[in-house]
Amino acid sequence: SQKIEQNSEALNIQEGKTATLTCNYTNYSPAYLQWYRQDPGRGPVFLLLIRENEKEKRKERLKVTFDTTLKQSLFHITASQPADSATYLCALDGVPSNTGKLIFGQGTTLQVKP
Amino acid sequence: DAGVIQSPRHEVTEMGQEVTLRCKPISGHDYLFWYRQTMMRGLELLIYFNNNVPIDDSGMPEDRFSAKMPNASFSTLKIQPSEPRDSAVYFCASSGLSNQPQHFGDGTRLSIL
Repeated sequence: SQKIEQNSEALNIQEGKTATLTCNYTNYSPAYLQWYRQDPGRGPVFLLLIRENEKEKRKERLKVTFDTTLKQSLFHITASQPADSATYLCALDGVPSNTGKLIFGQGTTLQVKP
Repeated sequence: DAGVIQSPRHEVTEMGQEVTLRCKPISGHDYLFWYRQTMMRGLELLIYFNNNVPIDDSGMPEDRFSAKMPNASFSTLKIQPSEPRDSAVYFCASSGLSNQPQHFGDGTRLSIL
């Protein structure tokens, strides 16, 4: 079955630095991958979607890469701010593909210190 | 834009009782998803609908769980009878197309005593 791994340990960085979060997957090839942000007591909020034929996607201070050979996605936040502190979830297109079914990772908690 | 609306936000009840969670998706969205989130298992898909029809309920834990979508603007997730291990945050999400981002409600925090 599909397996998704995100770094379970919290990531602590200093304001202004670049945060890099990792999402690894095994046992299948998703058509696309999404990243969501979740704040305490709230539902996940969509950030970026990247398809299997795209290497990189950017949105303001956010950048996502998708390496289908390594079966890995990296999520970068440049010039990080304390307001970026949250849990970030990666989600992969499930099986069968392109049906809307998403498989979520456990999430990585980011803490940006001023 | 109202977003996905879930009710109640919090529910505390005793084991054995029936629990009904409600969701109003974003108008015009054809897909509706029910998820459960716990510390141990993360965010798990329970069931999803397309145009009010259940497509995949393989994530529903057991027969005590049931979900309905009587029309395009309303869905329910019911647990009967409830058990303490059902305690979790339940999210509803909707999307316009199958491969589009999902919009989540703020969830129902369910505690079964």
